[in-house]
Amino acid sequence: GESVGLHLPTLSVQEGDNSIINCAYSNSASDYFIWYKQESGKGPQFIIDIRSNMDKRQGQRVTVLLNKTVKHLSLQIAATQPGDSAVYFCAEGRGGSNYKLTFGKGTLLTVNP
Amino acid sequence: KAGVTQTPRYLIKTRGQQVTLSCSPISGHRSVSWYQQTPGQGLQFLFEYFSETQRNKGNFPGRFSGRQFSNSRSEMNVSTLELGDSALYLCASSPATANSPLHFGNGTRLTVT
Repeated sequence: GESVGLHLPTLSVQEGDNSIINCAYSNSASDYFIWYKQESGKGPQFIIDIRSNMDKRQGQRVTVLLNKTVKHLSLQIAATQPGDSAVYFCAEGRGGSNYKLTFGKGTLLTVNP
Repeated sequence: KAGVTQTPRYLIKTRGQQVTLSCSPISGHRSVSWYQQTPGQGLQFLFEYFSETQRNKGNFPGRFSGRQFSNSRSEMNVSTLELGDSALYLCASSPATANSPLHFGNGTRLTVT
């Protein structure tokens, strides 16, 4: 069926390490992918997005990689900080829609000082 | 620039009642989307409005409805509340232009007793 799933429900890293959060998607028609960070008591906060015509996109301390061959998406966070502790969601959209998104279940990232 | 504002932050209602939630998008954003977030189902798309018209709807019963006003502010209504409607309801807005991600508010926490 159509779904976006995360490989790891929890991830614990040491402060200063790099983090990699993975996501698998099943709909090959998806052409838009996006990562959100959600802290307790807050709504999802946009991190970075990528369209299917790209393989990689970089932001500030974050990189998203898209592998369409295996339908895999990853978020890399460099020099992870305690403030990065949150639940991270990947989401997919298609048909040019950036508003009707299918979200994964989320990965809880814990950064240990 | 102010973010997406949702009111109220918390609501407690009784089964059978109805509820109206409000959302003010980021200034200049004409597209408003609504999502339901629960621990079991995660984030699920409810509907999206643009220029006061519903453009797309998720798989929710007709008890869930919404509208958008000429100033882009939006409301969603849930009638005949059920216990399973307890959730965090998130509103998101975007300028509805290409490559423009959704920006979420902090949500309204609805508890149905």
